[in-house]
Amino acid sequence: KNQVEQSPQSLIILEGKNCTLQCNYTVSPFSNLRWYKQDTGRGPVSLTIMTFSENTKSNGRYTATLDADTKQSSLHITASQLSDSASYICVVSAEAGTALIFGKGTTLSVSS
Amino acid sequence: GAVVSQHPSWVICKSGTSVKIECRSLDFQATTMFWYRQFPKQSLMLMATSNEGSKATYEQGVEKDKFLINHASLTLSTLTVTSAHPEDSSFYICSARSGHGYTFGSGTRLTVV
Repeated sequence: KNQVEQSPQSLIILEGKNCTLQCNYTVSPFSNLRWYKQDTGRGPVSLTIMTFSENTKSNGRYTATLDADTKQSSLHITASQLSDSASYICVVSAEAGTALIFGKGTTLSVSS
Repeated sequence: GAVVSQHPSWVICKSGTSVKIECRSLDFQATTMFWYRQFPKQSLMLMATSNEGSKATYEQGVEKDKFLINHASLTLSTLTVTSAHPEDSSFYICSARSGHGYTFGSGTRLTVV
């Protein structure tokens, strides 16, 4: 069964600190993996997208990694800001054109 | 980048009435639009996939007569929740595929009282 598991479920960190969110998937065949940021009451906004051959992709203070062999991905946030408080969702596509498979997300709270 | 405009952002309606949610692709043509529902602290759940000019494909367990989807043009898709009930209260989000990948609307918070 195609599944996407994220950990931790929630995380609280101090402003300025770094953090890493994890995503494990059992989706096959694999097409690509996306990380989205979803603010409360808003739609998801794309942060990164990686295909099978990509190991790392950065978007400002966000860096995503992908290990297609172990079917794991991580999202590293550097020098966190209060505005980083949101839900971060890992989304995997089984193959081009098929429905996306969503993780339940990690809720990040950044406090001052 | 690609933008999907979703309206309204929130709506409160009485039980038994119908509510229409619109999603427009502003700078690209959305051949396919996806409609999701999201309950608090839960992941997005795909309700249906609509293709311009044809009938929508509904996921198992989603009532097609209750959630009417119309995709009459390449830039507009609508979801109508008919005879809404309190259990339909949720966050509804649309998404379209573009050259930039999947772009989501900003969501509609529906509260049925």
